[in-house]
Amino acid sequence: DQQVKQNSPSLSVQEGRISILNCDYTNSMFDYFLWYKKYPAEGPTFLISISSIKDKNEDGRFTVFLNKSAKHLSLHIVPSQPGDSAVYFCAASLSGGSYIPTFGRGTSLIVHP
Amino acid sequence: SAVISQKPSRDICQRGTSLTIQCQVDSQVTMMFWYRQQPGQSLTLIATANQGSEATYESGFVIDKFPISRPNLTFSTLTVSNMSPEDSSIYLCSVNQRGAHPEAFFGQGTRLTVV
Repeated sequence: DQQVKQNSPSLSVQEGRISILNCDYTNSMFDYFLWYKKYPAEGPTFLISISSIKDKNEDGRFTVFLNKSAKHLSLHIVPSQPGDSAVYFCAASLSGGSYIPTFGRGTSLIVHP
Repeated sequence: SAVISQKPSRDICQRGTSLTIQCQVDSQVTMMFWYRQQPGQSLTLIATANQGSEATYESGFVIDKFPISRPNLTFSTLTVSNMSPEDSSIYLCSVNQRGAHPEAFFGQGTRLTVV
């Protein structure tokens, strides 16, 4: 039973446009959420996070939105660049534990020049 | 941030054999984590490696299949034993950074193909 779901395995976007990656979770106890980016032959790297006390966190071109009532979060990339092409993993964790993240299956983003 | 060196980066192994993956961290950490990513799947936690005690395995993973060593606070190994083609995956070592913005750091992964 997947606790973190990324229902879109892939997304294709034109350079300069907005990329929106979605993530749903089922465990209402999760209170800390992260996005990771993974290039081929590399490990995932941290991109951005959000605590459940917030509904938005912004870092440059990347913004994460959290809708707790819907158990949904999204990552917006504006403007998208070809170098953003990678697999993006959504993750959720519990602050009361060891912050060990539970990951989704990832969404492969392709940004076309 | 933590820098994690993992090796080998990839290997092709015969079924029935074993492979040991090494993970070296540039700082002392209490817990190290081993993940598996099967094709098209999420990163699944195999076990938590604690220095000085036995590893803690997640449901579906057992010590006989995935023995783990943790001899000190900067190093761990994961062995994939008696391999079958179903073990073909990417295996990742990870550590957590605590603090105001906790996040996980990963090694570059080991791509294992069992033939």
